[in-house]
Amino acid sequence: DAEITQSPRHKITETGRQVTLACHQTWNHNNMFWYRQDLGHGLRLIHYSYGVQDTNKGEVSDGYSVSRSNTEDLPLTLESAASSQTSVYFCASSENSRDDEQYFGPGTRLTVT
Amino acid sequence: GQNIDQPTEMTATEGAIVQINCTYQTSGFNGLFWYQQHAGEAPTFLSYNVLDGLEEKGRFSSFLSRSKGYSYLLLKELQMKDSASYLCAASQTGANNLFFGTGTRLTVIP
Repeated sequence: DAEITQSPRHKITETGRQVTLACHQTWNHNNMFWYRQDLGHGLRLIHYSYGVQDTNKGEVSDGYSVSRSNTEDLPLTLESAASSQTSVYFCASSENSRDDEQYFGPGTRLTVT
Repeated sequence: GQNIDQPTEMTATEGAIVQINCTYQTSGFNGLFWYQQHAGEAPTFLSYNVLDGLEEKGRFSSFLSRSKGYSYLLLKELQMKDSASYLCAASQTGANNLFFGTGTRLTVIP
């Protein structure tokens, strides 16, 4: 069955370190998204991609970067982790258009100490 | 700009009906999604409305009024497993991403 996976599921890191969160989908979806979810803020969009070599900034992109070298993967990198980036991170994918539902990965809980 | 409002919390009784409202102000609005999220889990798709009116899917129905910037999710015959957060999200013309509200946490009590 097609799926979307994230790794690691839990991560503790120190302030200033670079961290990469992996996202892999096997639906062959064109669109991929990264969100963070914090109490009181709901899901906020960090970066998104509409296809290979395409990346775009979302509403909370500062301190994060992504790259899309193939259809299946959209890794999220925190260049220099900060305590404000402690959060739960969700990756999602959708087929093509704005009318297509997004499928979410299981999430990564990141703690920056 | 984007703004989506939902009540923060609701409580309802097992077997009853509950309506969760969502109002939105979204530039270039296209359609309205509802997702369910159980604690500690990923959101899962419930419904999508792009035209005005009611869409029924089993115990769950969703309504949209584009002129009023308003949607609701109706849950019938509530079950304990319906205790979860319900997220309202708007899609826009010219973009494939969503803008989410903060979610409504529903607690179903016996």
